[in-house]
Parts: sequence; C-alpha cells; structure tokens
Amino acid sequence: RKEVEQDPGPFNVPEGATVAFNCTYSNSASQSFFWYRQDCRKEPKLLMSVYSSGNEDGRFTAQLNRASQYISLLIRDSKLSDSATYLCVVLRTGGFKTIFGAGTRLFVKA
Amino acid sequence: NAGVTQTPKFRVLKTGQSMTLLCAQDMNHEYMYWYRQDPGMGLRLIHYSVGEGTTAKGEVPDGYNVSRLKKQNFLLGLESAAPSQTSVYFCASSYGGEDPTDTQYFGPGTRLTVL
Repeated sequence: RKEVEQDPGPFNVPEGATVAFNCTYSNSASQSFFWYRQDCRKEPKLLMSVYSSGNEDGRFTAQLNRASQYISLLIRDSKLSDSATYLCVVLRTGGFKTIFGAGTRLFVKA
Repeated sequence: NAGVTQTPKFRVLKTGQSMTLLCAQDMNHEYMYWYRQDPGMGLRLIHYSVGEGTTAKGEVPDGYNVSRLKKQNFLLGLESAAPSQTSVYFCASSYGGEDPTDTQYFGPGTRLTVL
C-alpha cells in the first residue's frame, strides 16, 4: 500500500462546477500537508499548504482530518485554467521525508 | 531571477552510458533535492543535500550519485544507465531550516530515455 494515496481520476467537469479531491496518508507521524499543482509536462508548483483548521485561498479550500488521516481539496467555480494534475504531499516528522501522491488529473471543459 | 534551472532538458542514452544532470538555483537556498517521476508513481526522492558539501540518500538512490560542491549547484550522475532509469528527473530547492512548511521550488525537468 502506498503511503500517500490519491484517486488518479481523471475528473472531467464543466466550467463553473465544484470538484473535490481526497487524499489519504498512512503514516500517523506525518506533520505537514500540501497541495501542489502540476500542468502537463511541467514542474510541480505549490498550490497551498493545508492546516488543521482548514484554509481557503480564493476558490480553493483545503481541509485536514488527522483522525481519519485524509486531506481534501475543494475547487469552486472551476475554470478551464484549473485543468492540471493535483498532487497531495505529506511531510513526515524527522525532516526530508516528503512523500508525493501520484496525483489526480482534472479536466475542466467549456 | 531564474529560480531553478536544469540542463539538459532532454537526453537519450544507450544502456551502459554515463551522464550528469546539472541543477542550479539562484535563490540562495540551503536545501536541494533530486526526484524522479514515473507514470502512476508520483515523485520519488533520489538524493538530497542540506548544504554545500553534504549529500544524503533518499528513497531510490541506487544507480545514482550526487555532488554539491557549490551551494547553488546540485549534480546528479548516472554511472551506467539502465532502461529502468528512463524517467523525468526534477530538481528542487528550498530555503531549509526547521519550518515544516518550507516550500520546494522545482526546475523544469529533464526527460531521460535509456535505450
């Protein structure tokens, strides 16, 4: 079993839709959590960190459930430009144990 | 300010050949990383460095060597390339320190094919 698991998708949604991705992690020593975005044939870029209290950045909302060991990303009012792969990233305690999920692909259609 | 750059962008090798991938960053970051990305596998850490002159093994270090002679450069070497090393290689850097939210900045990647 992978330490960080994501639904690979793809998720195909129309513009304006709300879409949610989940990510589960298996190591309870995980300390920090992030969502990265990766466009086709490009490098990953940080989308947002995920805090225990949940956090929002414009149309994006990230939530963490430590008890159930999952992280979620909600995208509201989807835009064509949101089409990308979203990577769930977990940092374990002890440093340098950054684990990337395989990613969830999102296609937003006009 | 170029951020993180990688050379070359593409390379085709024959089995048994050697090569070096170069990563450079101009953000004065202490930490640098090499990852490989394969379909369905996510990014996997090969080696990393917490400062000039230091290196450490990551999750998948076999078949690779690294050096960090200068703070801004991190080299990844393949001594004897194998088809299993066909992948996209990403270099990343971060400020470092104890901040658990330390962001990693990635280079554009090197697409390597080993025949």
